[in-house]
Amino acid sequence: AQRVTQPEKLLSVFKGAPVELKCNYSYSGSPELFWYVQYSRQRLQLLLRHISRESIKGFTADLNKGETSFHLKKPFAQEEDSAMYYCALGLDSSYKLIFGSGTRLLVRP
Amino acid sequence: NAGVTQTPKFRVLKTGQSMTLLCAQDMNHEYMYWYRQDPGMGLRLIHYSVGEGTTAKGEVPDGYNVSRLKKQNFLLGLESAAPSQTSVYFCASSYKVAGVGAKNIQYFGAGTRLSVL
Repeated sequence: AQRVTQPEKLLSVFKGAPVELKCNYSYSGSPELFWYVQYSRQRLQLLLRHISRESIKGFTADLNKGETSFHLKKPFAQEEDSAMYYCALGLDSSYKLIFGSGTRLLVRP
Repeated sequence: NAGVTQTPKFRVLKTGQSMTLLCAQDMNHEYMYWYRQDPGMGLRLIHYSVGEGTTAKGEVPDGYNVSRLKKQNFLLGLESAAPSQTSVYFCASSYKVAGVGAKNIQYFGAGTRLSVL
């Protein structure tokens, strides 16, 4: 069965520290992975997707098919990064997304 | 350009009451979705639609019904609300395009916070 696992419910770091939000997926087909972010009092929005191989707001994520992971990383966390982060799996030939349970990132001053 | 608009933003119901949540999008998207968001469980798909006049069940459809009479609107109905349906409901929409990845970029509404007493 398809599944997305985000093992950490809460990740608390100090400003300037590196951040890694973990995401593992279970899918036998060709996966499409995404990170969505929800800032306080804002709607859920796309942060980045693996096919773009881009850095958004200093965040990067690399798809590792061998480890079935798509961890989100940022070398130096900022207070404005505090938010809820969801990893999502898109199935090939499907328009649906499977979301993980989310990780709340708290960046302390 | 409003994107995805959900109404109402908040609602309190008594057990057994009914209500309809409205989702409207102005991006001419083919696909629309209803999710519920619960602590520790992320977003779970309730129902979705791949086009006007079509709907399908998602992961947690029980107790909900939907309709997509117009391309821009997707309605979520609760016929007899239960406390277990207390949640935050999100609507989303996405394009129908060819190519890897693009079709899965979903655009979300601001959410509806529903409490069932």
